[in-house]
Amino acid sequence: KAGVTQTPRYLIKTRGQQVTLSCSPISGHRSVSWYQQTPGQGLQFLFEYFSETQRNKGNFPGRFSGRQFSNSRSEMNVSTLELGDSALYLCASSYSGYEQYFGPGTRLTVT
Amino acid sequence: DQQVKQNSPSLSVQEGRISILNCDYTNSMFDYFLWYKKYPAEGPTFLISISSIKDKNEDGRFTVFLNKSAKHLSLHIVPSQPGDSAVYFCAASEPNYGGSQGNLIFGKGTKLSVKP
Repeated sequence: KAGVTQTPRYLIKTRGQQVTLSCSPISGHRSVSWYQQTPGQGLQFLFEYFSETQRNKGNFPGRFSGRQFSNSRSEMNVSTLELGDSALYLCASSYSGYEQYFGPGTRLTVT
Repeated sequence: DQQVKQNSPSLSVQEGRISILNCDYTNSMFDYFLWYKKYPAEGPTFLISISSIKDKNEDGRFTVFLNKSAKHLSLHIVPSQPGDSAVYFCAASEPNYGGSQGNLIFGKGTKLSVKP
C-alpha cells in the first residue's frame, strides 16, 4: 500500500498570508490527524477528522482549520500567518485510531 | 504541563548492546502507548505499541514494557544496530468517549546514537 502523502513538501510564505496543506491518507484509512512540530514545543496535536467530520481538536487558535473530503483526503488551512507558525506540519492516517502512520510532512517557513 | 516526558534528550550505545529508552507519563487515563522513530526530514515511523491492559509487548528486536503503577514505559532494542540511530518518541492516547482516538500526546524525544 502507498503511504501517507503530503503536498507540498516545502513552502515559504510571508506574514499575513494564508496557506493550504494537503494530505492523502493510506487507502482504507478514514481517520486523518494533523500535528505541528517545532523545536521548542515538539509534536502537538492540531485536529482529527473522521468521515468528513472533525472529531477532536487541540489547543490552537481558530486561524488553524481543516477539512476532510469524501475520499478521506484532508486539507489544513492557516490564515493570517505569523512567524511562529513556521514548523513542520505532519499528517497521520489511521484505520483504528490508535496506530497512526505519518506522512513526510510539509516544512512551512513564514518570513 | 507535559503529560508525557522523556527525560533523556540523548543516549549513546555501542552496536550489539541493549538500548533502553524511557518515558514517564502523568495522566492515569492514558490507555494506549506507542513508540515512533524519526529520521531527519521524514515523518515519524510507527515502531511498536502497547495497551494499558498489558505489561509487555515484543516485536522482533523491540520490546516495550509498561509499569502502570509507576506510570512508566520503556523501549528495549536488542541488539542495537547503527541503523537504529534516530530520534525516538513516546506517545500516549486517552480514551475519548466521543469515538476519537486520534489525539496522540508526544514526549519531546530521545536521540539515540548507536556506535559501530
